[in-house]
Amino acid sequence: DAGITQSPRYKITETGRQVTLMCHQTWSHSYMFWYRQDLGHGLRLIYYSAAADITDKGEVPDGYVVSRSKTENFPLTLESATRSQTSVYFCASSASGSGNEQFFGPGTRLTVL
Amino acid sequence: AQSVTQPDIHITVSEGASLELRCNYSYGATPYLFWYVQSPGQGLQLLLKYFSGDTLVQGIKGFEAEFKRSQSSFNLRKPSVHWSDAAEYFCAVNNNDMRFGAGTRLTVKP
Repeated sequence: DAGITQSPRYKITETGRQVTLMCHQTWSHSYMFWYRQDLGHGLRLIYYSAAADITDKGEVPDGYVVSRSKTENFPLTLESATRSQTSVYFCASSASGSGNEQFFGPGTRLTVL
Repeated sequence: AQSVTQPDIHITVSEGASLELRCNYSYGATPYLFWYVQSPGQGLQLLLKYFSGDTLVQGIKGFEAEFKRSQSSFNLRKPSVHWSDAAEYFCAVNNNDMRFGAGTRLTVKP
């Protein structure tokens, strides 16, 4: 099916473990984004990518790593998870930068114990 | 600093009543403006967007929003709310990167 998917949808991990959240889109959109959603903060941008092999930091990048070897995939890795990274993570994509609508995945709920 | 403010954390309206959700932004120039809706356990869905031109924009599900440059506002309205409109609503502005407000949770009373 066309669209943007995220996996896993739910994840529980322990402090210090490495976790990778996957994001896949089928529209061949150039831009992809990772956000975290926390109560009282709305969505905050973690990292974004303008094209394959081009990534850049957003508002809250510390503790996260991204890569984009293929246009359709944009994995987010927490190298050593902390409790403060417990959140809902949303991936999004758009055809271009500033003016375009972003399309969101269903989210991944991550709990770090 | 660039910011997006949604002053109302939670609003309750009766079904059939009118609705207005407030959004104010602080940017040097007029950014691109968006309203998204998020149902429980779901991702965000675009309701409407403003880029330029007519300051009153129509969206899906009977929503509209009005851009007021003098007030740096982009308030969302609906003349008659349905129970299915209960959700979280996010205002967002895009001026090089997308910034979201903290959201307004809408409860609809029967």
